[in-house]
Amino acid sequence: QVQLVESGGGVVQPGGSLRLSCAASGFTFSSYGMHWVRQAPGKGLEWVAFIRYDGSNKYYADSVKGRFTISRDNSKNTLYLQMNSLRAEDTAVYYCAKEGIYPMVKYFDYWGQGTLVTVSS
Amino acid sequence: SYVLTQPPSVSVAPGKTARITCGGNNIGSKSVHWYQQKPGQAPVLVIYYDSDRPSGIPERFSGSNSGNTATLTISRVEAGDEADYYCQVWDSSSDHRGVFGTGTKVTVL
Repeated sequence: QVQLVESGGGVVQPGGSLRLSCAASGFTFSSYGMHWVRQAPGKGLEWVAFIRYDGSNKYYADSVKGRFTISRDNSKNTLYLQMNSLRAEDTAVYYCAKEGIYPMVKYFDYWGQGTLVTVSS
Repeated sequence: SYVLTQPPSVSVAPGKTARITCGGNNIGSKSVHWYQQKPGQAPVLVIYYDSDRPSGIPERFSGSNSGNTATLTISRVEAGDEADYYCQVWDSSSDHRGVFGTGTKVTVL
């Protein structure tokens, strides 16, 4: 069965950095695009970033462009999100999500349980 | 940027039908997907490609999409359907990005 396990969350000061990881299993990781989606406390879902199955294309939400970097290591079945210049408004639960079987329409068929990032002094 | 609008809340009695709308400019030209999220849990895909159901999702969940409105319909509502529901599209018109609706809290009376 598909499993996505995020790690790396925690408390960080404004302006600081953090790297999230997402360990994938139960499917051929190197064949699927992957996303990061976040949810601020008590708020709705916000898409953050996407990376193509081979890492050749990456897309970002305007709110994180230039500060966050999505990457993957297909040899380790792991997705990453490098977060720099963190702001209070980046405080959220971060989910990794697997792309559905129809890549042209981009939906999320499996989600991890999320990791909490808190940006606070 | 593309905006998806949902009603903040929908209330429904057990056994009745709940309809959750998702409004967007010419949304009928896009593929719409729906997620259910219960408190403290990760979202779960319940409808993709406007009206397809993933395996394990009850037939009570159905979707439609036309014009400027997509709709998630939950028939014969059960107490376990109480949750937040989000619609989602992929906007590739200008820049490539995922877009979620504002979310709807479904309360089973």
